[in-house]
Order: sequence, then C-alpha cells, then structure tokens
Amino acid sequence: GDSVTQMEGPVTLSEEAFLTINCTYTATGYPSLFWYVQYPGEGLQLLLKATKADDKGSNKGFEATYRKETTSFHLEKGSVQVSDSAVYFCALSPSRAGGTSYGKLTFGQGTILTVHP
Amino acid sequence: ETGVTQTPRHLVMGMTNKKSLKCEQHLGHNAMYWYKQSAKKPLELMFVYSLEERVENNSVPSRFSPECPNSSHLFLHLHTLQPEDSALYLCASSQDRGSQEQYFGPGTRLTVT
Repeated sequence: GDSVTQMEGPVTLSEEAFLTINCTYTATGYPSLFWYVQYPGEGLQLLLKATKADDKGSNKGFEATYRKETTSFHLEKGSVQVSDSAVYFCALSPSRAGGTSYGKLTFGQGTILTVHP
Repeated sequence: ETGVTQTPRHLVMGMTNKKSLKCEQHLGHNAMYWYKQSAKKPLELMFVYSLEERVENNSVPSRFSPECPNSSHLFLHLHTLQPEDSALYLCASSQDRGSQEQYFGPGTRLTVT
C-alpha cells in the first residue's frame, strides 16, 4: 500500500538557518503530494502541494519539488523564523487511477521543528 | 464562525463513561473525516462520510461510533474506551470525497483514565 516516510525529528534550528525536512513516498501511479503544518494547539493546515512530477509547491517561503525519479518531496526554507516552530507532515493522495482511494490522504509520522531566536 | 470547529477541545473520561465529540464545518463541504493522532505515529484515518453516508471505516473498534446527521455536522460517540484510546481526535472536511485538499479542525484532546 501507499506510505510516506519523513526524517525523524525533532529538528532544532536557530533563526535564519536553512531548513530541509526530507520526505519520501511509496505509491502506484502519480500521486499528489502535500505538506501540512500543525502549530501548537491547532489542527493541520495545508502548507503547499504539487500534483505532478517536477511541480514545485511554494507558500510562506517554503518550497518542495515533486521528484518522481527519487520519489521524494523534501520541504525547504531558506531562512526560518521562530514562528515556523510547528509539526510538519508530508502526505500523499493517490491519482484518479488509484480508484476508490482517490482523495484519501496518507500521512507521514510528522517532524517537530523548533526554531530558537 | 468559519472553517472547521470541534468541541470540546479537551476531554477526560473514565473507561465506563459515554461521551461524544462534535465537529462542525462552515465551508459547504460534502465530505467529512475523523482522524486519530497519537504520539509518534502517523495520523490514522478512522471514518469517512460523503453526503452523510459512511463510505469508509478503517477497522475501528465498535466502542467508537460515528454519526453524520447532515453535511455540516459530524459526531464521534465514545463508550467503554481504553487508556490506549487517549489521543488527539481530528475532524476534517473536503469539498467532496474525491477532493484532495482537506481542512482540519483544531482537534479534541482525549484522555481516558
């Protein structure tokens, strides 16, 4: 079945440092890929997404590129802020060729990011 | 209110209690979901409702009983829970079951004593 593997956390950085959170996936066909963020005490929010190979999703300074050849969707940000401290989840949703599973999200285990001033 | 709301935000219950979690979405969506979030584990999809009909039940124990009276409201009725059921329960909605973008509520932090 489909699966998502994220780098183990927690990740601790100083403000303005470069961030990478690795994500790789296993799925048939061409799934859509997502990054969700969960701030303390809140639910998950969609951060960015990419629906086909070589697409780059971006939002709030975060970027991730859909790499079909390496089945990866790594999250990056050039300069993190204290307000970026949160839990980040990589997720996938099957393509329409996935049949009844279309629209069903499979999540990674989450990576805790803490940014210090 | 806008978005997806959940009540209560925190709940402590004994193993013999009966309680209910409530979710309401104000987005005009047709699909709603219950997820379980446990520490150091991926989110687990529990139930999916589409147009008020349950379309997915991921082998969830019968001590969890969902109800969807209309497309805006979703409940999770709890009875005779176990301590390992303690977790954050998240509700989500999407335009329809085939939509890939889901909108999440803040969750209910459940502790079973």
